[in-house]
Amino acid sequence: DAGVIQSPRHEVTEMGQEVTLRCKPISGHDYLFWYRQTMMRGLELLIYFNNNVPIDDSGMPEDRFSAKMPNASFSTLKIQPSEPRDSAVYFCASSLRVTQETQYFGPGTRLLVL
Amino acid sequence: AQKVTQAQTEISVVEKEDVTLDCVYETRDTTYYLFWYKQPPSGELVFLIRRNSFDEQNEISGRYSWNFQKSTSSFNFTITASQVVDSAVYFCALSEGGTGRRALTFGSGTRLQVQP
Repeated sequence: DAGVIQSPRHEVTEMGQEVTLRCKPISGHDYLFWYRQTMMRGLELLIYFNNNVPIDDSGMPEDRFSAKMPNASFSTLKIQPSEPRDSAVYFCASSLRVTQETQYFGPGTRLLVL
Repeated sequence: AQKVTQAQTEISVVEKEDVTLDCVYETRDTTYYLFWYKQPPSGELVFLIRRNSFDEQNEISGRYSWNFQKSTSSFNFTITASQVVDSAVYFCALSEGGTGRRALTFGSGTRLQVQP
C-alpha cells in the first residue's frame, strides 16, 4: 500500500512568491496533519483535519499560511507571500479515525525561501 | 499543557554497545498515548512504537525495547547491540486520548551516532 505522498520533495523560491505544498493521505485515513520541522522550534503542528474539516489550526503561524482539504485524498498548504523564515521541512501525516491511531508521515517537503 | 522532554541532545556509542534514550513527559490527561519515531539521515519520520497510558507492560521488538513507567512519567527506549544503521534522530511524542486533541507533541529529539 502506498504511504503518505507529498509533493514537491524540494522547493526553492524567492521571498514574496507563493508556495503550494501538496499531500495525499493514506487511503481510508480520516485524519490529516501538517507539521513543520525547524532547527529552532523542532517539530510542531500547524493544522489538522478530520473528514476534510479543519479541527485545530492554532499552530498556523499567521495569515500568510492557509490549508485546505477539498476531498479525502488531497490537501494543500499554501504560503503567500513566502518569507525566508518559512524555510523548513513540512511534513504531512495521516491516521485512522479510531482513538489515537498512529500517525504515518510522508517524506516531507524541504522548503528554502531565499 | 503537554510537554515532552528528551534531555539527551546527542549520544555517541560504538557498534554493539547498548544505548538508552530517555523520554520524560508531562500531561494532565489520564488517558494519553506515547510514541517513538526514528528520523534517519534521509529525513523521513518512521514510526517505531505506540503505547497507551493504561498499558505499562514493557515491550521488546528485536533489538529494541521500551520501558514505560507512569510513576516517573517516563517512556525510555533501549537499543541492544547497536548497529551503524541505528544512527538517526529519535523523537518521543505524546498525544491526548479519548476525544482529546489528536496532534502529537514532540520532544526535541536525541541524535544517536553509532560508530563502527
